[in-house]
Amino acid sequence: GENVEQHPSTLSVQEGDSAVIKCTYSDSASNYFPWYKQELGKGPQLIIDIRSNVGEKKDQRIAVTLNKTAKHFSLHITETQPEDSAVYFCAASSSGTYKYIFGTGTRLKVLA
Amino acid sequence: NAGVTQTPKFQVLKTGQSMTLQCAQDMNHEYMSWYRQDPGMGLRLIHYSVGAGITDQGEVPNGYNVSRSTTEDFPLRLLSAAPSQTSVYFCASSPDRGNQPQHFGDGTRLSIL
Repeated sequence: GENVEQHPSTLSVQEGDSAVIKCTYSDSASNYFPWYKQELGKGPQLIIDIRSNVGEKKDQRIAVTLNKTAKHFSLHITETQPEDSAVYFCAASSSGTYKYIFGTGTRLKVLA
Repeated sequence: NAGVTQTPKFQVLKTGQSMTLQCAQDMNHEYMSWYRQDPGMGLRLIHYSVGAGITDQGEVPNGYNVSRSTTEDFPLRLLSAAPSQTSVYFCASSPDRGNQPQHFGDGTRLSIL
């Protein structure tokens, strides 16, 4: 079945530095790749997503890149701030299966 | 709009007891799903529904039942709780049948003794 691997599991960066989280998927039919941010005691919240017909998408300090050939996608956060500290999850799904497969999460700590 | 509402927020059960986790959304979303979140394992899909009267199994369906009699509600039932079902449960919805951003509730933390 579909599998999504996410690395690293924890990441500490200094405030103002960049953070990169990487995910690899196994199902070549996957065509939708969302990223979620989860704060303590809350449900995951979508921060950015990308579809397979696009290689890169950016929203202010957040960007996602997709390499369909290598079957991996990455989240980039620039100019990190303490409020970026949270757990981040990647996910993958494909049209018609209605199933979202999540990565195991990355705990990001932004040190002031 | 309240979004996705889950009740209760916390629950402690004894092994063998049954209970229903409630999930309601007020966004008229077709797609609803249940996940469990365990340390180091991310979110795993339990069951999902693409519309009223339609449900299907996810990755980890054993020990759980669901039904979807209305668009708004998608309850998750534990028929005979086991310690392995201790977890945080999240309900989510999205406007279409798939490949859309999901809106999550704030979860139910369930402990089985």
